[in-house]
Amino acid sequence: GAGVSQSPRYKVTKRGQDVALRCDPISGHVSLYWYRQALGQGPEFLTYFNYEAQQDKSGLPNDRFSAERPEGSISTLTIQRTEQRDSAMYRCASSLRTSGGAGNEQFFGPGTRLTVL
Amino acid sequence: AQSVAQPEDQVNVAEGNPLTVKCTYSVSGNPYLFWYVQYPNRGLQFLLKYITGDNLVKGSYGFEAEFNKSQTSFHLKKPSALVSDSALYFCAVRDRNAGNMLTFGGGTRLMVKP
Repeated sequence: GAGVSQSPRYKVTKRGQDVALRCDPISGHVSLYWYRQALGQGPEFLTYFNYEAQQDKSGLPNDRFSAERPEGSISTLTIQRTEQRDSAMYRCASSLRTSGGAGNEQFFGPGTRLTVL
Repeated sequence: AQSVAQPEDQVNVAEGNPLTVKCTYSVSGNPYLFWYVQYPNRGLQFLLKYITGDNLVKGSYGFEAEFNKSQTSFHLKKPSALVSDSALYFCAVRDRNAGNMLTFGGGTRLMVKP
């Protein structure tokens, strides 16, 4: 079946521009997560949703970053007024359930590599 | 706060030999533990998880991991390495009582030589 998809796969933008990164989770998955991964490091948590509700946004680095999931499916991560330090791989993941043992593993998409010039 | 340490940036092993990739964790409560693998230009792929019960967990591609509560470790193992196992491996922890976020280690690159 289809996995998590993300678009675009690559995004090059100029400093100061806004970007929107899209995530389409696995069908039926309740929870959706955003992570950022710098080169040579592990992913770092940004935010997550259960259905359409944003449950935790403690990992968003500043108020230029925002995310939404208005219908409980597709999510968009928006970065306003991009800066060079925002350059990274942005990864989305989804999980079938919100908590508990079975079904709580997160399945990751291929990521969007963002480069800010 | 929760954290994960992968003390080795790279592990080298000969094909056919056993491999171990080390992971230690810190959480305030009881952990869920995960291993993911990342191949070049690919996303993270789930390998295995520890939730509860048997301390030895078996996962995809012949990998297994052993949960050791006293040592707060969750080392990844495989009895006989393949060249195709060469990739970047990430250990991750989630505190059962602290939300759904995963905290990842910095990753360990596994190189299997023929």
